[in-house]
Amino acid sequence: QKEVEQNSGPLSVPEGAIASLNCTYSDRGSQSFFWYRQYSGKSPELIMSIYSNGDKEDGRFTAQLNKASQYVSLLIRDSQPSDSATYLCAVNPTGNQFYFGTGTSLTVIP
Amino acid sequence: KAGVTQTPRYLIKTRGQQVTLSCSPISGHRSVSWYQQTPGQGLQFLFEYFSETQRNKGNFPGRFSGRQFSNSRSEMNVSTLELGDSALYLCASSSQGAGNEQFFGPGTRLTVL
Repeated sequence: QKEVEQNSGPLSVPEGAIASLNCTYSDRGSQSFFWYRQYSGKSPELIMSIYSNGDKEDGRFTAQLNKASQYVSLLIRDSQPSDSATYLCAVNPTGNQFYFGTGTSLTVIP
Repeated sequence: KAGVTQTPRYLIKTRGQQVTLSCSPISGHRSVSWYQQTPGQGLQFLFEYFSETQRNKGNFPGRFSGRQFSNSRSEMNVSTLELGDSALYLCASSSQGAGNEQFFGPGTRLTVL
């Protein structure tokens, strides 16, 4: 079983819609959770970090964490074509190592 | 603050050669992690350094090594290059360790012929 699992997609949504990206993780003791955006040919860019159960909002982005279900999600409201990218979920169980999912490819259709 | 910098940005090597990649973290960040990214495997953790000490190592062969200097700059070395080492090598820095937010550099694209 992989440490972090994401649906690889591709996920396509129309412009202005809500994009929902999901991630599950295996280590129940995980404490830190992150979402990165990676444009083709570029390096990952940190979008959100979340550490507590519930929702965390930043602009059009909302991260949701449910530790009991070992589930973290990212919602993108009012999706724009510029949001088209691969979204990586990262989990830090303990210590000094991050585990990354393989990413979900999102396309926002104008 | 300046971001994470990596040099060189692109490298072409042949099998059997060795290569050294460099990473300068964000000023004040003492933790540097290295990752290999390939289309098939995604982001794979190589190792993490904090205050010149390797604290964690991923599941890579001994041909992959690294070090960190007193100014937090880090290098990674790959010896006896293989075709499968062709990848984007990413460096990420954080202020207190990998548990905190990590910020990535632009990466070094290594092609092994």
